[in-house]
Amino acid sequence: QSALTQPASVSGSPGQSITISCTGTSSDVGSYNLVSWYRQHPGKAPKLMVYEGSKRPSGVSNRFSGSKSGNTASLTISGLQAEDEADYYCCSYGGSSAPYVFGTGTKVTVL
Amino acid sequence: QVQLQESGPGLVKPSETLSLICTVSGYSISSGYYWGWVRQPPGEGLDWIATIYHSGSTYYNPSLKTRVTISVDTSNNQFSLKLSSVTVADTAVYYCARSYGSIHPFDIWGQGTLVTVSS
Repeated sequence: QSALTQPASVSGSPGQSITISCTGTSSDVGSYNLVSWYRQHPGKAPKLMVYEGSKRPSGVSNRFSGSKSGNTASLTISGLQAEDEADYYCCSYGGSSAPYVFGTGTKVTVL
Repeated sequence: QVQLQESGPGLVKPSETLSLICTVSGYSISSGYYWGWVRQPPGEGLDWIATIYHSGSTYYNPSLKTRVTISVDTSNNQFSLKLSSVTVADTAVYYCARSYGSIHPFDIWGQGTLVTVSS
């Protein structure tokens, strides 16, 4: 199972909205509503931000929203803040032999 | 609150076996949930290794399956990872994490431990 494709970097100014794409195939993203998104600050463990495509864990800001169209999932961060500067990874269920297929990762820079 | 903490050698020689333990506090492993390992080579992305249910059901990344063993020790509230025949490509930060299902995301993570494979 190949890694999901994400843009290497995305940037935005404080207060703006940005969207990170996550492109898979009909065997993973396109077939299941099981895409999750993680934020990872340097030297820290990943933190779950969105799961099952668009659900947010308790305590995660509603500035984070997820969606999907076909084989591509997206994470939108609205009202960009300095603390949002981090690496973001998508992850999709890819079937019983590949329950966790991670994306290549996107570095978000707050200008 | 639930916390996970990885422990184990930070340096392993090529061809040897990497062994890590994840100690869970604030929750009894025998009560449920799934427990897994994810690794991240320096400067690279995340890679799922394996998951285990408290009852012992296991799930492995097919690309690592022949070298990996995950197990659970409910008496010590720990679960462990063994990766045999390691090479420099296995150098990574290894994270233990909790999931509420075998296909569901990891919602709680340990801080991670760097394991370097070098002679």
